[in-house]
Amino acid sequence: RKEVEQDPGPFNVPEGATVAFNCTYSNSASQSFFWYRQDCRKEPKLLMSVYSSGNEDGRFTAQLNRASQYISLLIRDSKLSDSATYLCVVRGTGRRALTFGSGTRLQVQP
Amino acid sequence: NAGVTQTPKFQVLKTGQSMTLQCAQDMNHNSMYWYRQDPGMGLRLIYYSASEGTTDKGEVPNGYNVSRLNKREFSLRLESAAPSQTSVYFCASSEPGVQGSYEQYFGPGTRLTVT
Repeated sequence: RKEVEQDPGPFNVPEGATVAFNCTYSNSASQSFFWYRQDCRKEPKLLMSVYSSGNEDGRFTAQLNRASQYISLLIRDSKLSDSATYLCVVRGTGRRALTFGSGTRLQVQP
Repeated sequence: NAGVTQTPKFQVLKTGQSMTLQCAQDMNHNSMYWYRQDPGMGLRLIYYSASEGTTDKGEVPNGYNVSRLNKREFSLRLESAAPSQTSVYFCASSEPGVQGSYEQYFGPGTRLTVT
């Protein structure tokens, strides 16, 4: 079983739609959680950290469910510029290295 | 402030050739990392360096060596390239962030093809 699992998509949505991605992780002792965004042929960039209480940044909302070991990302009012691959990322106990999911591809259409 | 830089951006090698990928960061971070990314797979950790003078193996270290030359620079060497090492290589650096989160910052990547 992969440490971090995501639906690869693609998710094809119209502009203005709300879309949600989920991610599950296998290590119950994982400490930190993130969503990274990766544009085609570019490096990953941090989109947002995910905190236990849930957090929001503009149109983006991230939530963590430790009991079920999943993380979610909600994007409201999708823009064409949101088209990218979204990587779910987890850091384990005492480890500084991160474990990446293989990504969920989002395509926002006009 | 360039962040994380990598050279070269592209490289084609023949099987058995060697090369070194260079990485440098100007953010004064202690920790640096090398990942590879293959189609349909997440980034996989090759080696990392928690601080200057230390290096540790990651998930896929076979066929690679690393050198933490100083706090800024972390190089990755392929001694005898194989077609299975065709990939995109990313270097990253980090420092403890909010709640000890160790957010990582990535370089632009090196696209390596081994024929």
